[in-house]
Amino acid sequence: SQQGEEDPQALSIQEGENATMNCSYKTSINNLQWYRQNSGRGLVHLILIRSNEREKHSGRLRVTLDTSKKSSSLLITASRAADTASYFCATDDSNYQLIWGAGTKLIIKP
Amino acid sequence: NAGVTQTPKFRVLKTGQSMTLLCAQDMNHEYMYWYRQDPGMGLRLIHYSVGEGTTAKGEVPDGYNVSRLKKQNFLLGLESAAPSQTSVYFCASSYGSHGEQFFGPGTRLTVL
Repeated sequence: SQQGEEDPQALSIQEGENATMNCSYKTSINNLQWYRQNSGRGLVHLILIRSNEREKHSGRLRVTLDTSKKSSSLLITASRAADTASYFCATDDSNYQLIWGAGTKLIIKP
Repeated sequence: NAGVTQTPKFRVLKTGQSMTLLCAQDMNHEYMYWYRQDPGMGLRLIHYSVGEGTTAKGEVPDGYNVSRLKKQNFLLGLESAAPSQTSVYFCASSYGSHGEQFFGPGTRLTVL
């Protein structure tokens, strides 16, 4: 079962621009996480936002959560070539599991 | 501190062969997970473990077995490989049930 769905599926922007990707989910959550995956590598945790939080920052990353709309967004400011990767959101379910979206593929053009 | 390691990195099997994928973590995490990732899809949970000696089924457990005899190791077995099991397999671990997960580099498995 796929809880989170990222939008868009792919995004290509110029270096220095901001990148925004969205995640929608279906059921109530305790928290929502964002991960990055570079090509052919394992996933790396970026940020966790709890259901009682509305916004969280980490360096150039800004995550928002709207539980009424069951959606989250990840903003990467001043993008760099090294930000080229796939980005996934993951939400928890009632068991010990995270449910993953299909990801947004981000390409930063030099 | 190696984090989460997986062996092997690549493997090619013929239909019907068996193999075991090994995952090891040195962070003293209680929770460990096996996922598969197919093109254009997110991760799907195969099996997970909430502690030494315990295992549980995830979303797509059929055709796989697991064991967690030691806290630091989580083994994924394929008894009779099928082409549908061609995928990239990731192991992950976490301290808590819904917290940050730490991932291994993955095993790319092809079943002919």
